[in-house]
Amino acid sequence: DTAVSQTPKYLVTQMGNDKSIKCEQNLGHDTMYWYKQDSKKFLKIMFSYNNKELIINETVPNRFSPKSPDKAHLNLHINSLELGDSAVYFCASSPQGVDSPLHFGNGTRLTVT
Amino acid sequence: GENVEQHPSTLSVQEGDSAVIKCTYSDSASNYFPWYKQELGKGPQLIIDIRSNVGEKKDQRIAVTLNKTAKHFSLHITETQPEDSAVYFCAASSRGQNFVFGPGTRLSVLP
Repeated sequence: DTAVSQTPKYLVTQMGNDKSIKCEQNLGHDTMYWYKQDSKKFLKIMFSYNNKELIINETVPNRFSPKSPDKAHLNLHINSLELGDSAVYFCASSPQGVDSPLHFGNGTRLTVT
Repeated sequence: GENVEQHPSTLSVQEGDSAVIKCTYSDSASNYFPWYKQELGKGPQLIIDIRSNVGEKKDQRIAVTLNKTAKHFSLHITETQPEDSAVYFCAASSRGQNFVFGPGTRLSVLP
């Protein structure tokens, strides 16, 4: 039943490691997003994919690489993790080009030690 | 690009009172304005939205107003209950893309 699901929910890792977060949506939406929420709760877009094609790439370090194998999945791979990467990462989806809201997953809390 | 401001950053009200959260946006092309509620440990959930061709929308205890000329929109919650306590975000988007969020308002409803 879950509309947007992301795994894992918690991720604790050491600096310098590489990790991935997976996201899947079963809503049939064309567009998927990754947002980062920092400790002050500010939500900032990182990437947006439309039908497997990158359409938004904000000023995110190139250690972050999104991968979309199909329009229902958008994974986030992070290389050489740094302390400042600690945050909650949210996946979201929406229909393309219409005034419809984002549907968010429940987030992945990443802690880099 | 779009910039969304939101006030206040924190808001405490007594149970049963009303709460109002205000947002302003900068891009006149923005035409869709959703409001999200985020509870602890969960993702933001849509509670109400408004499109630029409408000035006001109501859903039970929640209402949103939009002033396109002044580029601001507000969330009104009446008869607040403890379960309304959460972080609320406003957002603005153009043609359903590139959602920009306000910094959030932490609402506490005191019993």
